[in-house]
Amino acid sequence: GESVGLHLPTLSVQEGDNSIINCAYSNSASDYFIWYKQESGKGPQFIIDIRSNMDKRQGQRVTVLLNKTVKHLSLQIAATQPGDSAVYFCAETDTGRRALTFGSGTRLQVQP
Amino acid sequence: DGGITQSPKYLFRKEGQNVTLSCEQNLNHDAMYWYRQDPGQGLRLIYYSQIVNDFQKGDIAEGYSVSREKKESFPLTVTSAQKNPTAFYLCASSRQGGSTGELFFGEGSRLTVL
Repeated sequence: GESVGLHLPTLSVQEGDNSIINCAYSNSASDYFIWYKQESGKGPQFIIDIRSNMDKRQGQRVTVLLNKTVKHLSLQIAATQPGDSAVYFCAETDTGRRALTFGSGTRLQVQP
Repeated sequence: DGGITQSPKYLFRKEGQNVTLSCEQNLNHDAMYWYRQDPGQGLRLIYYSQIVNDFQKGDIAEGYSVSREKKESFPLTVTSAQKNPTAFYLCASSRQGGSTGELFFGEGSRLTVL
């Protein structure tokens, strides 16, 4: 069936480096994508979103890239900080669907 | 401040008991959702409601029930029919259902069956 998944379950980076978290999706009709950050024992928090009519969107220290040709989504975090340590989920949906579908998550570990 | 409040944060249940998890939002959102999260996994949709007095089954609705009598409230009951209820439960809301925007999540309720 249609699914959203992540390439790397755990990513370890040095403080100050840039991080890239990847996500593959299979639903070619998906038109809305969100990245969430979840800290231990808490609910997910919205980071950034992107619609399918765009291929790049920037926020504060974060950039989301969308490649619809290969159905790939990435989250780039600039100058990674210890507070960025968390599990990151991508989620997707398409017009008319009932709710977001979430991937299994990538754990980002920031080493001091 | 506006937000979503889930209670209790931690809950222990004996096998065979029903438990109800509370979810309240003051964001004036139409749509509300319940997700289940197991360790090392993503979120799976249990039930969702796009409007008051209406709700739909998600991907894993068996053993769960919900009600939506008020816009602000969407309680989830975990029944004894749920075979493996130990999990982290997340409630969320959005202005409208479907693909129209982000979900706002509560802090979650962790249910443990003894």
